[in-house]
Amino acid sequence: SAVISQKPSRDICQRGTSLTIQCQVDSQVTMMFWYRQQPGQSLTLIATANQGSEATYESGFVIDKFPISRPNLTFSTLTVSNLSPEDSSIYLCSVVEDLRSNYGYTFGSGTRLTVV
Amino acid sequence: AQSVAQPEDQVNVAEGNPLTVKCTYSVSGNPYLFWYVQYPNRGLQFLLKYITGDNLVKGSYGFEAEFNKSQTSFHLKKPSALVSDSALYFCAVRRSGSARQLTFGSGTQLTVLP
Repeated sequence: SAVISQKPSRDICQRGTSLTIQCQVDSQVTMMFWYRQQPGQSLTLIATANQGSEATYESGFVIDKFPISRPNLTFSTLTVSNLSPEDSSIYLCSVVEDLRSNYGYTFGSGTRLTVV
Repeated sequence: AQSVAQPEDQVNVAEGNPLTVKCTYSVSGNPYLFWYVQYPNRGLQFLLKYITGDNLVKGSYGFEAEFNKSQTSFHLKKPSALVSDSALYFCAVRRSGSARQLTFGSGTQLTVLP
């Protein structure tokens, strides 16, 4: 299965600043997903990042707040903009592999963001 | 729309006893179902999945799950719990149609007592 390198693993940021999270995959994948996990809660999908087109955002998430880049089939970034304490969460990227011999999702190790 | 329900926020079980973590789902078409475990300060780890085939699915660390179509359930089980199994467990279902995103349940905190 794919291996994902997600950076940074954690960060503490000031209000009003931005944080960019990177995910590098060791193989080419069509779809990459970005999730948010707020403290003590489940994972919520932010958006689907597709190479060569704009990301598709879920209800409640907007591009101005969570701009996403997907320059190629192995890399994506999520930026969390104009940070507020409510943005303190774990952010995870994920890819899906739809192979005849296997079907599954792999997750990055997550980025723990604390906004002060 | 698809959804996943994990009715128990917390499950406590004594070490050596069998454990069950419950999950029910709602999705149109054939479900793709997954269980993940999350240890403190760590990412999600895949446990097992049901795509097709046998209703009883065996996964990592001695866990298994039974797909029950009539009850729309996919409960996670282990015959003998270990203290090291204590973690947060998530059930997830793939969205129907061409979308491939996962929808997660709310999570169940499993505590295995020594």
